Amino acid sequence: DVKVTQSSRYLVKRTGEKVFLECVQDMDHENMFWYRQDPGLGLRLIYFSYDVKMKEKGDIPEGYSVSREKKERFSLILESASTNQTSMYLCASSPLMGLYVKQYFGPGTRLTVT
Amino acid sequence: TQLLEQSPQFLSIQEGENLTVYCNSSSVFSSLQWYRQEPGEGPVLLVTVVTGGEVKKLKRLTFQFGDARKDSSLHITAAQPGDTGLYLCAGGTSGTYKYIFGTGTRLKVLA
Repeated sequence: DVKVTQSSRYLVKRTGEKVFLECVQDMDHENMFWYRQDPGLGLRLIYFSYDVKMKEKGDIPEGYSVSREKKERFSLILESASTNQTSMYLCASSPLMGLYVKQYFGPGTRLTVT
Repeated sequence: TQLLEQSPQFLSIQEGENLTVYCNSSSVFSSLQWYRQEPGEGPVLLVTVVTGGEVKKLKRLTFQFGDARKDSSLHITAAQPGDTGLYLCAGGTSGTYKYIFGTGTRLKVLA
């Protein structure tokens, strides 16, 4: 069974802090994703990575950066946390692209910025 | 910008009732996926449909892709408390990695 794990389930940070969210997948998937989930807005893509050290901006990359030094690990970085980044953050992984490709999601990290 | 609107946003029904959730867009998608997310967990894929008019059944759940591939519906027959969760549709475009997720429908089935 594919497993995607996220480093924290809950996180509370102060405005201006640098925040690291870590995601690890155990299925050797090429693609990894970071989404944020807000009520009534569904999931919005922040960043995507299709290979080690490769990344592409999603729909809402402002205020975020990512790092993928190893295939199994994809990190989301909030350079200077702000209150409008309070949200649920979901990591996902998938094998190569295709119409039937399945994304496997982690349990999420609920981040509160005060 | 592609958008996927889901309706209703919230639904609370009694066990045994039937319900339908809608996912609508003005854009054409190559594929449409439905996910269910339970509290404290990430979304889990239920089904993928790729052909206009396609109907897929998963036990008591029936999924349909619109003929024009711009909309989809999820019908649940005889809902059970275990169906409670957030239902998300996601539209995919051939050749890209991106899926556009819908706004979500939160379903609560009361025993």
